[in-house]
Amino acid sequence: EAGVVQSPRYKIIEKKQPVAFWCNPISGHNTLYWYLQNLGQGPELLIRYENEEAVDDSQLPKDRFSAERLKGVDSTLKIQPAELGDSAVYLCASSRGTGTDTQYFGPGTRLTVL
Amino acid sequence: GQNIDQPTEMTATEGAIVQINCTYQTSGFNGLFWYQQHAGEAPTFLSYNVLDGLEEKGRFSSFLSRSKGYSYLLLKELQMKDSASYLCAVRVSMNTGFQKLVFGTGTRLLVSP
Repeated sequence: EAGVVQSPRYKIIEKKQPVAFWCNPISGHNTLYWYLQNLGQGPELLIRYENEEAVDDSQLPKDRFSAERLKGVDSTLKIQPAELGDSAVYLCASSRGTGTDTQYFGPGTRLTVL
Repeated sequence: GQNIDQPTEMTATEGAIVQINCTYQTSGFNGLFWYQQHAGEAPTFLSYNVLDGLEEKGRFSSFLSRSKGYSYLLLKELQMKDSASYLCAVRVSMNTGFQKLVFGTGTRLLVSP
């Protein structure tokens, strides 16, 4: 069974530029999560999807961050415009059920904003 | 608020046993997870405890005491490949009825020959 796939693995951009990350969850997993992980810290939840619906986006900075999960499978996370403080690893995870199941993580996208 | 504490760093020798502790103060506790994360890689699931007691899985065991807000991950017969960060995560039930994982900052384990 293939794991969670993310791309790109690395991205370097200049501040004020837009950037997008893509995630393909494990087949059959209805719940998808985007996390932010700063160096030396644990992951922090940004947004969670149940199928196509964003059910928890309270930690997503909505002035510059947006996400979508069309058709309830793949998801994209966008930042526009990026700021220096956005440099971090953006992790995607998925689980089979409604948030009570084990979450499986992708390798993440390491973003560097110059 | 939710608070999870783990030691920042630990060192151990190949073949030895190491115990990584995690204490938490959370509301709506509904289980505790341990993940392993090698540098630059995805966190990978190691163990899950929701009831008090010890869960054993090969060289790894995890213990939970809900009354004390305490868990530990025990790694036996340490191997060099066990050098990684170990993340303690508590699943909490929110007011909305949904549940989320709250992670500690992780414990970086360095295994030396």
